[in-house]
Amino acid sequence: EAGVTQSPTHLIKTRGQQATLRCSPISGHTSVYWYQQALGLGLQFLLWYDEGEERNRGNFPPRFSGRQFPNYSSELNVNALELEDSALYLCASSSYRPYEQYFGPGTRLTVT
Amino acid sequence: AQRVTQPEKLLSVFKGAPVELKCNYSYSGSPELFWYVQYSRQRLQLLLRHISRESIKGFTADLNKGETSFHLKKPFAQEEDSAMYYCALSIQGAQKLVFGQGTRLTINP
Repeated sequence: EAGVTQSPTHLIKTRGQQATLRCSPISGHTSVYWYQQALGLGLQFLLWYDEGEERNRGNFPPRFSGRQFPNYSSELNVNALELEDSALYLCASSSYRPYEQYFGPGTRLTVT
Repeated sequence: AQRVTQPEKLLSVFKGAPVELKCNYSYSGSPELFWYVQYSRQRLQLLLRHISRESIKGFTADLNKGETSFHLKKPFAQEEDSAMYYCALSIQGAQKLVFGQGTRLTINP
């Protein structure tokens, strides 16, 4: 069974630009979650998508957004990048047991 | 507010010694707690959940509602247990996990 995949592995952007991160869930999983892992802050919940709809979001500004496609893959968009957006962004997917989340390898976003 | 606290950022023990990674939570609802682990150069993965009361790789964790704790324990540490461990709380209805800051466990030979 192929795991959760994320692309790109690394992304370097300058302040003010936009970043797009992609995630493909495990086949059969309909829920996708996004987390931010910033240095010293642990894993922070960003967004949850299920069946193409945003179901819940964490305490992040609206410039963090995303979508889920009909094939259940997902995009995370970060607009007007700020230096503090530099972090590892993890995507996870799950089926009917939301706590059993399977994580991807992450995308390292660096904002300069 | 929901919160998970792992008081130790780093924990170092010798091989064969007992290990206890501490986790405390704050949640007004009925808690569902989990331990996730990330080995070097691997993905974050579920280690165990309190509902199943199982032992995985020799690790156990008991939910203590009175002390609002969910400490992870292993009687005899092995070198391959070296990893980053995260305690997580599942928020009912919101379908999100609230993670602690993590504890880096190092097992010395």
